[in-house]
Amino acid sequence: GAVVSQHPSWVICKSGTSVKIECRSLDFQATTMFWYRQFPKQSLMLMATSNEGSKATYEQGVEKDKFLINHASLTLSTLTVTSAHPEDSSFYICSARVLDNQPQHFGDGTRLSIL
Amino acid sequence: QQPVQSPQAVILREGEDAVINCSSSKALYSVHWYRQKHGEAPVFLMILLKGGEQKGHDKISASFNEKKQQSSLYLTASQLSYSGTYFCGTEYVPSGSARQLTFGSGTQLTVLP
Repeated sequence: GAVVSQHPSWVICKSGTSVKIECRSLDFQATTMFWYRQFPKQSLMLMATSNEGSKATYEQGVEKDKFLINHASLTLSTLTVTSAHPEDSSFYICSARVLDNQPQHFGDGTRLSIL
Repeated sequence: QQPVQSPQAVILREGEDAVINCSSSKALYSVHWYRQKHGEAPVFLMILLKGGEQKGHDKISASFNEKKQQSSLYLTASQLSYSGTYFCGTEYVPSGSARQLTFGSGTQLTVLP
């Protein structure tokens, strides 16, 4: 149980392209989903917290217009990196949680490479 | 504010024990422990919700000292499969906003045969 699917696993694209990453909770309804960014050999840095049907809450320093988050249903959240540039290259991971006091379950991550 | 994990890295032989510590300068509401293998997503190990709580499964256990704002993860009789980077994630005393995890910098654990 508690499976989170993230798609795509990896993507390589040219600078200026917009990239959409999907995060789905397959066997549970997630009231809250989280988006993280991780650089090699570093910790997970929270980008934003997303609740179904409401606007995402972004962490300080994360550009809202650059990283668009949509949480359309209790099982799906999407992150769109708009007009991506090489500095946006990173490992992006989503997680989903049913309720407070419960664990976050992570997707397999998306490795984004911008040329 | 990021919790501090120690040690940063540890190398042990199969069958040996290890302790990983996580400490915070702020009052903690809960502590979560995850293990991440290279190139993969973090995998949930356990969550500690109350001060004084201890939990474990198989040979991995953890404790949460609320007063000291610390948690420790204990790996007993380590197996090769225990290798990976261990992260603690801390939730701070709720401030009215949605509770979220702040992850430590990680402890890289390598178990050798």
